[in-house]
Amino acid sequence: DAGVTQSPTHLIKTRGQQVTLRCSPKSGHDTVSWYQQALGQGPQFIFQYYEEEERQRGNFPDRFSGHQFPNYSSELNVNALLLGDSALYLCASSRTEAGSETQYFGPGTRLLVL
Amino acid sequence: DQQVKQNSPSLSVQEGRISILNCDYTNSMFDYFLWYKKYPAEGPTFLISISSIKDKNEDGRFTVFLNKSAKHLSLHIVPSQPGDSAVYFCAASAWANNLFFGTGTRLTVIP
Repeated sequence: DAGVTQSPTHLIKTRGQQVTLRCSPKSGHDTVSWYQQALGQGPQFIFQYYEEEERQRGNFPDRFSGHQFPNYSSELNVNALLLGDSALYLCASSRTEAGSETQYFGPGTRLLVL
Repeated sequence: DQQVKQNSPSLSVQEGRISILNCDYTNSMFDYFLWYKKYPAEGPTFLISISSIKDKNEDGRFTVFLNKSAKHLSLHIVPSQPGDSAVYFCAASAWANNLFFGTGTRLTVIP
């Protein structure tokens, strides 16, 4: 049973560029959430997708956008990259049903913006 | 505003002894609490959770205690093993929504 997978593992971009990160959820999961983890901090919620729509959003600017596909996989897009966007980006999946609140995380994509 | 707080950035424990990691929260609407363990260069790994209708949940060496009146939860690891050395994150959610994380506690288990 494959867990949550993310690609790429590492990425280096320059300021102003755009980046797309990808996530495949755990088998049987239909909900994908994205988090940003800065160095020395806990993960911060970016947004959550369910049924191909953004269901919740954290306190992140519109430069951060996403998409969920019919197979439940998801993408995170960040436009006009800033130095402060350098972080570990984590994808988590879960099932949308009562009693299934646990989110399972992928290994993350480490983004460095120069 | 940090809704979930882990006030101890680090903890060292001898192998075989008990490790106690603490977490405080401010939002009384939180109804589900989780602990994750994180190794460097890996994503957080789910350890154990507890619903707000319970005050204790146990899974092998790991036990989570919830004190709703104090808005406090703790993770007990008994006995502690060197492989438990990692960063532990406390997280909370309300109505199965997004998770709010603490800043983590680095546990070092000394052989």
